[in-house]
Amino acid sequence: DGGITQSPKYLFRKEGQNVTLSCEQNLNHDAMYWYRQDPGQGLRLIYYSQIVNDFQKGDIAEGYSVSREKKESFPLTVTSAQKNPTAFYLCASSVAGGSDNEQFFGPGTRLTVL
Amino acid sequence: GQNIDQPTEMTATEGAIVQINCTYQTSGFNGLFWYQQHAGEAPTFLSYNVLDGLEEKGRFSSFLSRSKGYSYLLLKELQMKDSASYLCAVRDPYAGNNRKLIWGLGTSLAVNP
Repeated sequence: DGGITQSPKYLFRKEGQNVTLSCEQNLNHDAMYWYRQDPGQGLRLIYYSQIVNDFQKGDIAEGYSVSREKKESFPLTVTSAQKNPTAFYLCASSVAGGSDNEQFFGPGTRLTVL
Repeated sequence: GQNIDQPTEMTATEGAIVQINCTYQTSGFNGLFWYQQHAGEAPTFLSYNVLDGLEEKGRFSSFLSRSKGYSYLLLKELQMKDSASYLCAVRDPYAGNNRKLIWGLGTSLAVNP
């Protein structure tokens, strides 16, 4: 079965600690994305990557970092510099070419920083 | 700037029809998506419109008018499981070949028995 996995579904961390959220896809998609979702805020793009070893900042990249060493994987690190890290984090992927290719989403990770 | 507007909340009755509107103000247009998101879950793709007109897909249809910067999602024969948030997103006209989307805040639909 092809799809996107994110783990864990729930994650708790103490303030000041860095934490890495995993995202793996076996859809053979070139493009991958990280979003943050807060109540009443909609989806906000953190980082995206169109190809291996390349990524760009989204609208709210401060306090986050990513890597794209493999096509299948796009981990997100929430650093201690992120002022308000508690949120629902969604990873997505899509085919890079074409105009109508939708983004497929993983199940999300709900991060709570105590 | 780029902006997408949707109603925040809507309610409807099981078996009825509901229309969820989306208006967008962008400097160009390159396609519009509708997604469904149940509480605590990932968004799932519903429809894509790039040309004017109605796209029908079972109980769900989506309409686009590019001249008016307007789209709607039409849900027929509503079921309780249709209670969810419906997200409108347009492709960023400045994104070039990448697939960046500009997202609305979503419309929370409650279907009552």
